[in-house]
Amino acid sequence: QSVLTQPPSASGTPGQKVTISCSGSSSNIGSNTVNWYQQLPGTAPKLLIYHNHQRPSGVPDRFSGSKSGTSASLGISGLQSEDEATYYCAAWDDSLNGFVVFGGGTKLTVL
Amino acid sequence: EVQLLDSGGGLVQPGGSLRLSCAASGFTFSNYAMSWVRQAPGKGLEWVSGISGNGGRTYYAASVKGRFTLSRDISKSAIYLQMNSLRADDTAVYYCAKDEARSPYGPFDYWGQGTLVTVSS
Repeated sequence: QSVLTQPPSASGTPGQKVTISCSGSSSNIGSNTVNWYQQLPGTAPKLLIYHNHQRPSGVPDRFSGSKSGTSASLGISGLQSEDEATYYCAAWDDSLNGFVVFGGGTKLTVL
Repeated sequence: EVQLLDSGGGLVQPGGSLRLSCAASGFTFSNYAMSWVRQAPGKGLEWVSGISGNGGRTYYAASVKGRFTLSRDISKSAIYLQMNSLRADDTAVYYCAKDEARSPYGPFDYWGQGTLVTVSS
C-alpha cells in the first residue's frame, strides 16, 4: 500500500490529453513539493516534473504538473506512442524522521 | 556528464549480507545528497535510504531501518549501502539516485542503471 495514491492505469489515443492524479496527505504533498518520474519498460526512472510544475531541460512542454492542497496531477497533452510508460509521483514526508514517499505508479497505455 | 554506476548486487541467502556501491562522476559530489530507491519485480518504486551531501545525516525507510546502513566516501565520490539480515522481500533492483540539492528530499535528477539483489535459499 503506497503512501501516495495513483490510479493503476490510464489510457488515451494519439493527440489526446490525459491527466494522472496523485493524492497524499498534509505530511507529504500538503507541505512539500511533488516530483514526477517516467519509467519506460526495462529502464531506470527519469525525472519528468519537479517542484510541482518545473520541467528539466529536454522534457517537452507537452508534460505539465500542478498541485493543490494534498493532491497533485500530471498532464500529458498531444499524446504520443513513446509516452507509453509508467508514471510515479513522489514527495518528501515530514512524519517520523522524514522519508521519501512514492505513488504506486500509473501505467499509461497509448491506444 | 553525470554518471552513476551501481554495483554489488547478487544472490544471497535469507539472513545474509550484501554491500551495494554507487560510483559517481561528472558533478561536485559533496554538494548533493544521494539516495537508494528499489523496485521489486513487477512492482513500483520504493525509496530505501538517503544521505546528505556532507554525509552528516542519513534517512531510512521503516522497512530497512536497523538492517541497512548508508554511507558515503567523498574522496572516492561513492556511496555504499550495507544490507544485513536480508529477507526475501528485499529482493529488488536497487537504483542509486542523485538529488538536486544537499538534502535527500528529492527530486532525483539522475539515476544509476540499477543492480539486482535476489534474496533466496
